[in-house]
Amino acid sequence: EAQVTQNPRYLITVTGKKLTVTCSQNMNHEYMSWYRQDPGLGLRQIYYSMNVEVTDKGDVPEGYKVSRKEKRNFPLILESPSPNQTSLYFCASSLYPDGEYGYTFGSGTRLTVV
Amino acid sequence: GENVEQHPSTLSVQEGDSAVIKCTYSDSASNYFPWYKQELGKGPQLIIDIRSNVGEKKDQRIAVTLNKTAKHFSLHITETQPEDSAVYFCAASRGNAGNMLTFGGGTRLMVKP
Repeated sequence: EAQVTQNPRYLITVTGKKLTVTCSQNMNHEYMSWYRQDPGLGLRQIYYSMNVEVTDKGDVPEGYKVSRKEKRNFPLILESPSPNQTSLYFCASSLYPDGEYGYTFGSGTRLTVV
Repeated sequence: GENVEQHPSTLSVQEGDSAVIKCTYSDSASNYFPWYKQELGKGPQLIIDIRSNVGEKKDQRIAVTLNKTAKHFSLHITETQPEDSAVYFCAASRGNAGNMLTFGGGTRLMVKP
């Protein structure tokens, strides 16, 4: 089944403790993105990647890091999480730039930073 | 950068009625406008999209219209059913511009049986 797999689904952590949210896709897509979803703000892009070792900042990159060492994986790293990073996070992949013909989204990771 | 505004933020309709969600965008170079549906506990899923060379597109009970001059586009759902209840997002991008898809704030649609 074609899918984007994120882990974990739920995570509660403390301020300053480094964490990684994993994302993997099995569709051989070149384009991958991370979004955060907050009430009333929709989905805001954090980082995106156009290919292996090619990444760029989205609209809200502060406090986040990403890497793309393999085509299928695109982990999101929070080096020192803060409470304002409490949010619902989605990883997405697409065959074409800008999500044309559709992004495939993961099921989401609900992160709480206390 | 692109800014997409979406209205209303919540919409409640009776089953069988129509629902309309409207979006405006700021970047006149945007040429691709998808709509996503997000059901509870799931990631958004593409339901329909439109490109700037087309004014309207239909897929069964769903239609999208685009007015490039006014920089707005709308989602129309006819004969609504309870399973249409979800959060809907509009989005806009330039296409081929490096993976930048900008989303609106979302509309929670509730269809009452």
